[in-house]
Amino acid sequence: AQTVTQSQPEMSVQEAETVTLSCTYDTSENNYYLFWYKQPPSRQMILVIRQEAYKQQNATENRFSVNFQKAAKSFSLKISDSQLGDTAMYFCAFLLNDMRFGAGTRLTVKP
Amino acid sequence: NAGVTQTPKFQVLKTGQSMTLQCAQDMNHEYMSWYRQDPGMGLRLIHYSVGAGITDQGEVPNGYNVSRSTTEDFPLRLLSAAPSQTSVYFCASSSDRNVYGYTFGSGTRLTVV
Repeated sequence: AQTVTQSQPEMSVQEAETVTLSCTYDTSENNYYLFWYKQPPSRQMILVIRQEAYKQQNATENRFSVNFQKAAKSFSLKISDSQLGDTAMYFCAFLLNDMRFGAGTRLTVKP
Repeated sequence: NAGVTQTPKFQVLKTGQSMTLQCAQDMNHEYMSWYRQDPGMGLRLIHYSVGAGITDQGEVPNGYNVSRSTTEDFPLRLLSAAPSQTSVYFCASSSDRNVYGYTFGSGTRLTVV
């Protein structure tokens, strides 16, 4: 079964700075999909960004971008110009037959 | 269009009791899943369904049953509640998981005493 590892339980960043959240996964498959979800204190799960494994180009959504390294099975999330509203739990997810999540990284943006 | 609706939002059960967590979506989504969220463990997949009449087990299925008799509903049954099932439960649905990922409900906080 696929496993997803987020090695940073907690991180903090100053407002307007850049932060990178790490995610690694384990699979023997070649075609799959990767996602980052945000969970603010409201508990709602919000999709941030997705990446197809067959695409070499890294996905970008406004201030959010990924660094996808397929050979290394790494899928990190970069948040640029951090805002106070980015404070949340962030979950990395792997989709093949079903969707599996990492343990999450709690990000705090400090004013 | 209400999205994914979970009821109840909060529930306290006594050990050994049974109950059903309800999940309904009005988006005609084929894919539905149940997750539980525990501190430090992220979201763990309990059961999922790829269409009406089709269900499969996830990572942590023991103690839970599901059925999918309609496209709209995907109830999660706790057969005999245990304190280890204290958690926040999320239901999610999707029309195309590859493209859209999952849309999540707002969760049910369950406490088993």
